[in-house]
Amino acid sequence: EAGVAQSPRYKIIEKRQSVAFWCNPISGHATLYWYQQILGQGPKLLIQFQNNGVVDDSQLPKDRFSAERLKGVDSTLKIQPAKLEDSAVYLCASSIGTGTGNTIYFGEGSWLTVV
Amino acid sequence: SQQGEEDPQALSIQEGENATMNCSYKTSINNLQWYRQNSGRGLVHLILIRSNEREKHSGRLRVTLDTSKKSSSLLITASRAADTASYFCATLSQGAQKLVFGQGTRLTINP
Repeated sequence: EAGVAQSPRYKIIEKRQSVAFWCNPISGHATLYWYQQILGQGPKLLIQFQNNGVVDDSQLPKDRFSAERLKGVDSTLKIQPAKLEDSAVYLCASSIGTGTGNTIYFGEGSWLTVV
Repeated sequence: SQQGEEDPQALSIQEGENATMNCSYKTSINNLQWYRQNSGRGLVHLILIRSNEREKHSGRLRVTLDTSKKSSSLLITASRAADTASYFCATLSQGAQKLVFGQGTRLTINP
């Protein structure tokens, strides 16, 4: 079974530029998550989708971050304009649903460096 | 916001020894999960323990949960060099649908 796919794996941009990350979840998984993980810290949930609807985006900096999951499958996360403090790993994850026993599967992450 | 807090932040032991990591949390939970993250990689799910369970085993892993103390521990027995990684606990709070991670314990197994 294919895992969660993310691209690009690495990206270096200058501050104030924009960047987009793409995620393809495991087939059949209705729930998709984007987490931000700053070096040395645990992942922080940015946004959670159930199919193509947003369940939780309370920690998404909406002035510069946006995410969409138009057809309930793939998702993109965009940052515009980027700041130095956005340097982090952006982890996409998926699960069958939001039930309490569901395992969340993570992709390898997209590493962003803002210079 | 971080719900779980792992202790210690870093742990270094010799191969073959047991490693114990602890996690404390603040609110009532539905379940608590442990993940492993190798350097430069994504997170791998290790084990899930529900709020009505006290102990679970999976291979060399043993997880305990004490809801009265709002704490959990992960024990890795007979450690191997390949166990070197960061370990995170994550909690799913009652009534919530999102998993909240702690800061992690960085485990180093010395050959």
